[in-house]
Amino acid sequence: ETGVTQTPRHLVMGMTNKKSLKCEQHLGHNAMYWYKQSAKKPLELMFVYSLEERVENNSVPSRFSPECPNSSHLFLHLHTLQPEDSALYLCASSQGTFHTDTQYFGPGTRLTVL
Amino acid sequence: GDSVTQMEGPVTLSEEACLTINCTYTATGYPSLFWYVQYPGEGLQLLLKATKADDKGSNKGFEATYRKETTSFHLEKGSVQVSDSAVYFCALRVERGGYQKVTFGTGTKLQVIP
Repeated sequence: ETGVTQTPRHLVMGMTNKKSLKCEQHLGHNAMYWYKQSAKKPLELMFVYSLEERVENNSVPSRFSPECPNSSHLFLHLHTLQPEDSALYLCASSQGTFHTDTQYFGPGTRLTVL
Repeated sequence: GDSVTQMEGPVTLSEEACLTINCTYTATGYPSLFWYVQYPGEGLQLLLKATKADDKGSNKGFEATYRKETTSFHLEKGSVQVSDSAVYFCALRVERGGYQKVTFGTGTKLQVIP
């Protein structure tokens, strides 16, 4: 499989559930990202990992917890979410973190919090 | 701070019409500029990019020129097809503290009718 894959593609969870989103990149990249896409709002960068170390956390609530065990995998652990957290969560990767490096996006996970 | 402003959609065109989607930006430093496209149910795909002033990015008949003097990166296509129907995002990336900071516009939905 090539590119950036995300699982699951759709997720419905209650506010008391704990779930995880998974992202895998098959491009040999060194940087990975989580974005949140809400309706009629710009994409919001949530987390950036470079060489498996977190280099940016854009003031994301602690109910979102990222994990990057290696350069090919990125997880987003979810717990006690709120209905306003319902959105499309996109993962991306890039070769490096230089501003000319192109980011490649996965198809996203559509999350609905009841 | 950094920001990207796109024209609001939806933009509805007939097949073979000319397309322009306006994008202007505000950033300190020297950003790279990007257009991404998102087809229904999919993640973002890079459409084209330009990394310095006066560069022209082009792909699949789409073009955009990095205009530093007007801080713009308008997307153009001479003849649109039904298959171009999607949401288009303008974005900028700039180095901040050793990593790239990405800022997206809110997206412009394009509908092409036969």
